[in-house]
Amino acid sequence: GESVGLHLPTLSVQEGDNSIINCAYSNSASDYFIWYKQESGKGPQFIIDIRSNMDKRQGQRVTVLLNKTVKHLSLQIAATQPGDSAVYFCAENVYNFNKFYFGSGTKLNVKP
Amino acid sequence: DAGVIQSPRHEVTEMGQEVTLRCKPISGHNSLFWYRQTMMRGLELLIYFNNNVPIDDSGMPEDRFSAKMPNASFSTLKIQPSEPRDSAVYFCASSLRPPGEQYFGPGTRLTVT
Repeated sequence: GESVGLHLPTLSVQEGDNSIINCAYSNSASDYFIWYKQESGKGPQFIIDIRSNMDKRQGQRVTVLLNKTVKHLSLQIAATQPGDSAVYFCAENVYNFNKFYFGSGTKLNVKP
Repeated sequence: DAGVIQSPRHEVTEMGQEVTLRCKPISGHNSLFWYRQTMMRGLELLIYFNNNVPIDDSGMPEDRFSAKMPNASFSTLKIQPSEPRDSAVYFCASSLRPPGEQYFGPGTRLTVT
């Protein structure tokens, strides 16, 4: 039979605009989260992490927001560049367990 | 540091053959992970080791899959016999301490015909 692939949400933005990528996590006990970036043909690469005792964490051009009430995580990328085009995954973890569960990912397309 | 090293980068084999994927973690990292990525199922954890000991292999699909870590600098993932549905990209990752950032290798693209 015909195989059905994952529907990968796609976000298209203009170069220079800000991007917001969202992630809903499943386990209310999860208390550590990581955002990864995966470029075509490469392995996932760490972007930023956040623990559940924080609501917000900032890095270079990236900000992660955590809303534990609704189990939602977002990644904000400022002044998006063509090099930001990739698939972005959130990963959740329950502390003391060295096991992350990855979301299905969001594809970011940056238009020049 | 060279990062996580995986070999081969590409593997094409026929159904029924044995396949061995190899991984060298980053020196000093004490946790190692094997993942499988497909369009249908996304990124799935197969097994992870801590200090060379398998901790959780609940993601290993079936007995055809096995993984070993004979020392801190080498791990293998073996599929015997291989089937077309095993076709995927297999990633190895390592981390310094749990839980924390995992460093992924470039992956092995496996095609079973």
